[in-house]
Amino acid sequence: NAGVTQTPKFQVLKTGQSMTLQCAQDMNHEYMSWYRQDPGMGLRLIHYSVGAGITDQGEVPNGYNVSRSTTEDFPLRLLSAAPSQTSVYFCASSYRTGDEQFFGPGTRLTVL
Amino acid sequence: AQSVSQHNHHVILSEAASLELGCNYSYGGTVNLFWYVQYPGQHLQLLLKYFSGDPLVKGIKGFEAEFIKSKFSFNLRKPSVQWSDTAEYFCAVYRGGGGFKTIFGAGTRLFVKA
Repeated sequence: NAGVTQTPKFQVLKTGQSMTLQCAQDMNHEYMSWYRQDPGMGLRLIHYSVGAGITDQGEVPNGYNVSRSTTEDFPLRLLSAAPSQTSVYFCASSYRTGDEQFFGPGTRLTVL
Repeated sequence: AQSVSQHNHHVILSEAASLELGCNYSYGGTVNLFWYVQYPGQHLQLLLKYFSGDPLVKGIKGFEAEFIKSKFSFNLRKPSVQWSDTAEYFCAVYRGGGGFKTIFGAGTRLFVKA
């Protein structure tokens, strides 16, 4: 099992550019989520999904879109990057909602 | 809105000292509680979790946590820390009964002096 994988590991964008952060899991987990980690603020939930075709907003959803067309994949789209989106992004999955989450290695994003 | 508070943002201890990290949450219903650890350069991994039953939970690497429902707290403890415990520790709370969200605290950075 690869667990939770994320690509890319690092990315630099210019303000206004768009991009997609990829996340995949091979554990047949029902629940997937995206967090951003900023110094002094812990992990903040951006979006989550309780199954294929079902997504919902977390604490800080503005500027991000998600979709869940398959159980395995949960991409995060930045529509028009802003410097405030400079952060480390973690994808996570769990077997069921409310269970222990397994985290990916993260994507470090810098927006200039 | 549900919130998770970790009282100590930075903690510095010497090896063999005892550790207690505080975690409080604001939601009064059924909750699942977690402590995660992030070692330098690594991603988060689970230390321990509480869903129900014995409120004293034991996790990996000698860590334990106690759920005190009346205080809405889930404090993490370790009797004797090691240099290898240097890491950032996150408390997380899942609120049952709707919302489907696991919310994290701001984290506590622990530095253990050898």
